[in-house]
Amino acid sequence: EVQLVESGGGLVQPGGSLRLSCVASGFTLSSHWMNWVRQAPGKGLEWAAKINQDGNERHYVDSVKGRFTISKDNAKNILYLQMSSLRVEDTAVYYCTRGGGRHWGQGTLVTVSS
Amino acid sequence: DVVMTQSPLSLPVTLGQPASISCRSSQSLVYSDGNTYLNWFQQRPGQSPRRLIYQVSNRDSGVPDRFSGSGSGTDFTLKISRVEAEDVGVYYCMQATYWPHTFGGGTKVEIK
Repeated sequence: EVQLVESGGGLVQPGGSLRLSCVASGFTLSSHWMNWVRQAPGKGLEWAAKINQDGNERHYVDSVKGRFTISKDNAKNILYLQMSSLRVEDTAVYYCTRGGGRHWGQGTLVTVSS
Repeated sequence: DVVMTQSPLSLPVTLGQPASISCRSSQSLVYSDGNTYLNWFQQRPGQSPRRLIYQVSNRDSGVPDRFSGSGSGTDFTLKISRVEAEDVGVYYCMQATYWPHTFGGGTKVEIK
């Protein structure tokens, strides 16, 4: 059974950093594109970043480009999102998803506030 | 970026009656490989999104056959043949033909 479990969310001040993790089980990260999708409280969905099977191709939405880094450890089967220079508008539930969105984790809440 | 426009914003439906959600993209979603990467997601209250339909009309495994997707180019539709109580939630279309992948604003389905 495919499972995605995110962790690492929490309260951080504007300008701060946070690293999210997504532990995958039931499949190998090295065989799939992986993504981070976020949802601000009470708002819609935004596909924030994606990374290919080998980890050598990455794409970011403009609003996070230069501040967020998506990466993966295929040996440990863990997907990461390193977030820096965080802004209030980055407050959201961050979901880890596989491929075209067939599988989602439960999400982890990131709150950026002073 | 490709803009995805959904209508209506809110859809009150009587149990057992059909429902239809429209999604329009600002440009054609046909990819260079000939496929159209238009997906539909359901988000029940308090839950993670769940994909229902991929590539316009293909139902994901476990999705009831009362859900169907259709369309081409820039115009797409999600239909629920007979709405059940468990269908309450927000429905999103999403295009994965171009980067960044973009979602529609969502349609809230509720029971009258």
